[in-house]
Amino acid sequence: EVQLVESGGGLVQPGGSLRLSCAASGFTFSSYAMSWVRQAPGKGLEWVSGISGSATYYADSVKGRFTISKDDSNNTLFLQMNSLRVEDTAVYYCAKRGISSGFDYWGQGTLVTVSS
Amino acid sequence: QSALTQPASVSGSPGQSITISCTGTSSDVGGYDYVSWYQQHPGKAPKLMIYDVTNRPSGVSNRFSGSKSGNTASLTISGLQAEDEAYYYCSSYTSSSTLWVFGGGTKLTVL
Repeated sequence: EVQLVESGGGLVQPGGSLRLSCAASGFTFSSYAMSWVRQAPGKGLEWVSGISGSATYYADSVKGRFTISKDDSNNTLFLQMNSLRVEDTAVYYCAKRGISSGFDYWGQGTLVTVSS
Repeated sequence: QSALTQPASVSGSPGQSITISCTGTSSDVGGYDYVSWYQQHPGKAPKLMIYDVTNRPSGVSNRFSGSKSGNTASLTISGLQAEDEAYYYCSSYTSSSTLWVFGGGTKLTVL
């Protein structure tokens, strides 16, 4: 059974940093592209960042501030978030991309709150 | 403002069919057959319902179907059931540096 479990969320002041983790199990982690998708309170989904092999991708809204990485030996996905802004407040989901275009498995999400 | 445009809400009675549209551009929806649809109940993670425009993952009811014409993709739900009441989001690959874009979401109400 595929499982994705996020952790690392919490309350941080504007300008601060946070590192999110996503522990994956139930599939060959190194073989699949992974992404982070966020959802601000009461708002829709926003793709944040993705990684496929050694290639990384970012939404314009986080480029230069967030860094995605993965540890294939420990089946873990990371998102390092620096220079956090109030508008980064959201539930952050870890999502596995399937064989083709869909994100076929999602974690339960971890809440990041940026506030003074 | 979301990259893909969806109606804010749709509604239908049990047993009826509804269609949710998702309009993009030739750089995303119109340019690639990489449109997917997600169902999200309040407080829950999204669930993949359709991928690659028309394909259903294993376990998803055949009451859900997808299609695309030009820059607009559509999700049709037939034989509406109370459990279908949820938010629905479309997503597409995009040739921009963003890679993936989502629609703003549509709230489906089963009357």
